[in-house]
Amino acid sequence: EAGVVQSPRYKIIEKKQPVAFWCNPISGHNTLYWYRQNLGQGPELLIRYENEEAVDDSQLPKDRFSAERLKGVDSTLKIQPAELGDSAVYLCASSTRGNPSYNEQFFGPGTRLTVL
Amino acid sequence: AQSVTQLGSHVSVSEGALVLLRCNYSSSVPPYLFWYVQYPNQGLQLLLKYTSAATLVKGINGFEAEFKKSETSFHLTKPSAHMSDAAEYFCAVRIIQGAQKLVFGQGTRLTINP
Repeated sequence: EAGVVQSPRYKIIEKKQPVAFWCNPISGHNTLYWYRQNLGQGPELLIRYENEEAVDDSQLPKDRFSAERLKGVDSTLKIQPAELGDSAVYLCASSTRGNPSYNEQFFGPGTRLTVL
Repeated sequence: AQSVTQLGSHVSVSEGALVLLRCNYSSSVPPYLFWYVQYPNQGLQLLLKYTSAATLVKGINGFEAEFKKSETSFHLTKPSAHMSDAAEYFCAVRIIQGAQKLVFGQGTRLTINP
């Protein structure tokens, strides 16, 4: 079974430029998560989707960040314009609907963003 | 609000020695607790989880953790460290009310000395 796929793996951009990250979850996983992991920190949730609906985006900086999951499968996270403080690893994870109390989240390898 | 605290950002042990990574949680309701491992340039992989069943939880790669309500702890242990255990380890608590999301600790980097 293929795992969570993310691309690109690495991205270097100058500040004020736009950037987009793509995630393809494990087949059949209805729930998709985007996390941001700053250097030396644990991941922090940005947004959670149930199928195509964003059910928790309370931590997403909506002035510059946007996300979509149009067909309830793959998802794109965008930053426009990027700031120096956005340098981090952006992780995508997915899970089955199952029991939401403890269903396992499967993580992709992440996209390491460097903003210069 | 639920949170986790990992004591020690870096832990170093000798190969074959006991591994002990500490995690304390804060929760007003019975929590679900998890340990994840992250190898360099890879995503997080679930080691084990506590979901209110047995308090001693066994995971992959010989790791186990014990849920102690009286100490609000969920420490991760392995009797004998292997070089391949070198990685970053994250403790996480699941918020089961409201947003239903994982809240991670800051991580502990485990180094194994030959």
